[in-house]
Amino acid sequence: AQRVTQPEKLLSVFKGAPVELKCNYSYSGSPELFWYVQYSRQRLQLLLRHISRESIKGFTADLNKGETSFHLKKPFAQEEDSAMYYCALRSYNTDKLIFGTGTRLQVFP
Amino acid sequence: DAGVTQSPTHLIKTRGQQVTLRCSPKSGHDTVSWYQQALGQGPQFIFQYYEEEERQRGNFPDRFSGHQFPNYSSELNVNALLLGDSALYLCASSPANRVRESSYNEQFFGPGTRLTVL
Repeated sequence: AQRVTQPEKLLSVFKGAPVELKCNYSYSGSPELFWYVQYSRQRLQLLLRHISRESIKGFTADLNKGETSFHLKKPFAQEEDSAMYYCALRSYNTDKLIFGTGTRLQVFP
Repeated sequence: DAGVTQSPTHLIKTRGQQVTLRCSPKSGHDTVSWYQQALGQGPQFIFQYYEEEERQRGNFPDRFSGHQFPNYSSELNVNALLLGDSALYLCASSPANRVRESSYNEQFFGPGTRLTVL
């Protein structure tokens, strides 16, 4: 079964602290993984995708096929990073996205 | 470009009723996907429309149906509403011009329609 698991509902850190939002997936085949973010009163938007291997707003995520994980990391959290983060998996050859339940990141000043 | 727009913003219905939600895709987009997001959950894929046909479907009953119009806008219809249908319904559109069929075109999400079933 295809599934995305985000074990933490809430992650609270202080500004400047490192952040790691966990994501594990279950998928037979080559997955394509994404992180979506929803800031307060804004719509869901793509943050980054593993294929592009880019850093967006200081966030990076590495696909670890051995551990079936795609954790989102940032070395120094900023207050403006406070948002809801969703990890998502795309089935090959479809546009269907399978989302995790999300993790709320709170960054305190 | 206002991006993906959805109407109405909020809707209250009673059990057994029928509801229609509407979505206008971002300019230049031809594909529309619908997701259901229950409270405390991530979005769940309902179905996707392309060229006025349902192309992919998630694990939702036949009470959920849709339509896409020639201008690429779309409707989501839900019949015989249940209390469990209460959720935020998200529409997402993706662009035309696929480089290759297996490539992913980013989905842009609308603000959603909040449906409450009493």
